[in-house]
Amino acid sequence: AQSVTQLDSHVSVSEGTPVLLRCNYSSSYSPSLFWYVQHPNKGLQLLLKYTSAATLVKGINGFEAEFKKSETSFHLTKPSAHMSDAAEYFCVVSPGSGFQKLVFGTGTRLLVSP
Amino acid sequence: DAGVIQSPRHEVTEMGQEVTLRCKPISGHNSLFWYRQTMMRGLELLIYFNNNVPIDDSGMPEDRFSAKMPNASFSTLKIQPSEPRDSAVYFCASSLSGQGNYGYTFGSGTRLTVV
Repeated sequence: AQSVTQLDSHVSVSEGTPVLLRCNYSSSYSPSLFWYVQHPNKGLQLLLKYTSAATLVKGINGFEAEFKKSETSFHLTKPSAHMSDAAEYFCVVSPGSGFQKLVFGTGTRLLVSP
Repeated sequence: DAGVIQSPRHEVTEMGQEVTLRCKPISGHNSLFWYRQTMMRGLELLIYFNNNVPIDDSGMPEDRFSAKMPNASFSTLKIQPSEPRDSAVYFCASSLSGQGNYGYTFGSGTRLTVV
């Protein structure tokens, strides 16, 4: 079975400082991993995805994530936070083969202060 | 592409009334998913379809909920009768081939309030 654990329910940063949102996964297969972002009163938007190619994945809006199999982690980072980054972020896992549904983490709310 | 289109965006209804939520997936996507999001329970997968056929409806909370996909370009989620605890944001998502490694494209959601 697949699962993800988002280690922080809330993360607070100041504008211009780095962002780190942590995610650990569990999967019986070589997984596909995703980060989605949800701004207030909006739908979920795909930020980036890892599908067994390069382990460092670059996404939209300057975000990136690194797949570390030895640590079963897929942390999301950004060098410099912007006010518009304030949102809920979801780490998601899929087994990566066959027809399987995505498994969502519980989300991390990113707060950005001026 | 217009993306996944959901209607209505907002729905307010009285307890006991029937509610129908609608979804148009991205053209060419052959898998469709209905999710419910609440503060208490987060994102919950209710049901998903592949090639218009329901594959797993184990997330449907009870018999008051039903979903259909009569063709590749349209799906409905119906609640009858509705109850206040059904108040939530309902999202529809679609994907290509149902393969998890493509990710899903989500609609903007329908915010349902049952009073």
